[in-house]
Amino acid sequence: GQNIDQPTEMTATEGAIVQINCTYQTSGFNGLFWYQQHAGEAPTFLSYNVLDGLEEKGRFSSFLSRSKGYSYLLLKELQMKDSASYLCAVMDSNYQLIWGAGTKLIIKP
Amino acid sequence: ETGVTQTPRHLVMGMTNKKSLKCEQHLGHNAMYWYKQSAKKPLELMFVYSLEERVENNSVPSRFSPECPNSSHLFLHLHTLQPEDSALYLCASSQAGTGGYNEQFFGPGTRLTVL
Repeated sequence: GQNIDQPTEMTATEGAIVQINCTYQTSGFNGLFWYQQHAGEAPTFLSYNVLDGLEEKGRFSSFLSRSKGYSYLLLKELQMKDSASYLCAVMDSNYQLIWGAGTKLIIKP
Repeated sequence: ETGVTQTPRHLVMGMTNKKSLKCEQHLGHNAMYWYKQSAKKPLELMFVYSLEERVENNSVPSRFSPECPNSSHLFLHLHTLQPEDSALYLCASSQAGTGGYNEQFFGPGTRLTVL
């Protein structure tokens, strides 16, 4: 079966760095997405990785290792507004998105 | 604002009621999706429409009935629901194509409570 694993909840301090991991087992791979979802709001796109390596976009970076079935989202200089759920999703061989359950990130002052 | 709107934002209904959820996208996309989001569970894909034709059903119970009259509008008709159907229902759209990077844009969702 297809499976996406990510931690249920993480806590970090304002101004610090946090890394949210995602491991996956899917039938085929056509890219990995990270989305951010604030409580009561729509998920919004953060990043897309299809090749191995690190993609940096401001305070957020996303890393992919296809051989290990592994990705992480790195958030630097954390702000209170970064408190949200972070969803990992993999596009399988049928170009359908397989979703993880999301990681709830709590930022403390 | 993602360019995808959903109404109503909140809905409470009894098990014998019939109601409809509406989604509209203003992005010129050719694919639309219905997802169910329950607490601490992965997003569950319910239906996919590409070029106004349903391409994915994912074994959703018949008490959920989708309708896609054109590429900008998507409905989810609900009847005789069960309390376990209470969840956040999300609509999304994308520009679908084979071999493509298929970023989906989501609406804010309808929070459904079935009594």
